[in-house]
Amino acid sequence: QVQLQESGPGLVKPSQTLSLTCTVSGGSISSGSYYWSWIRQPAGKGLEWIGRIYTSGSTNYNPSLKSRVTISVDTSKNQFSLKLSSVTAADTAVYYCARDYPPLAWFDPWGQGTLVTVSS
Amino acid sequence: NFMLTQPHSVSESPGKTVTISCTRSSGSIASNYVQWYQQRPGSSPTTVIYEDNQRPSGVPDRFSGSIDSSSNSASLTISGLKTEDEADYYCQSYDSSNQRVFGGGTKLTVL
Repeated sequence: QVQLQESGPGLVKPSQTLSLTCTVSGGSISSGSYYWSWIRQPAGKGLEWIGRIYTSGSTNYNPSLKSRVTISVDTSKNQFSLKLSSVTAADTAVYYCARDYPPLAWFDPWGQGTLVTVSS
Repeated sequence: NFMLTQPHSVSESPGKTVTISCTRSSGSIASNYVQWYQQRPGSSPTTVIYEDNQRPSGVPDRFSGSIDSSSNSASLTISGLKTEDEADYYCQSYDSSNQRVFGGGTKLTVL
């Protein structure tokens, strides 16, 4: 079955850009009508949806983060990526990637998550 | 955007039944499907209910979901509580502009 795995630097300096990649295995990122989402969770807090992308490149972003977020897809590598600019300590969180099934807006499966700390 | 409001925490004894509510602030709860996720410490969320009341394979039938239009809320009910059910539970839905929203999460303690 489809599995997702996040990767990227675990430490980012304030004001810099956070960059993460999600690799999809066990199936093609282009198959089906799925979108691919990023979700984050600060320590001890709840889940926050960041945004999603379709393999055509069509995106939707959380309005609260839209000015700083870019999500892209590389179908040749079966990957999609997140860039979050001008980060602050408030962006410190576990970042998850997940498959987004549009008719239901259902996130399944999820990656294992990767902790990104923003600190100098 | 709308919000989904959940109780911060609930607790119940093993063998009992507990219900976690999720109230939508604007827009009809019945207009957009609701999902429920279970998250144990140190793990990724997993689905216990999707499409308001459907259980993925492998999720026991002790878990059920429902929608109440009169209170504009969704509910997750867990019957025959087991200690292994102790976790954080999140509801999630969306709106017509394709914004996905999570509830704040409910910590379930089985004591």
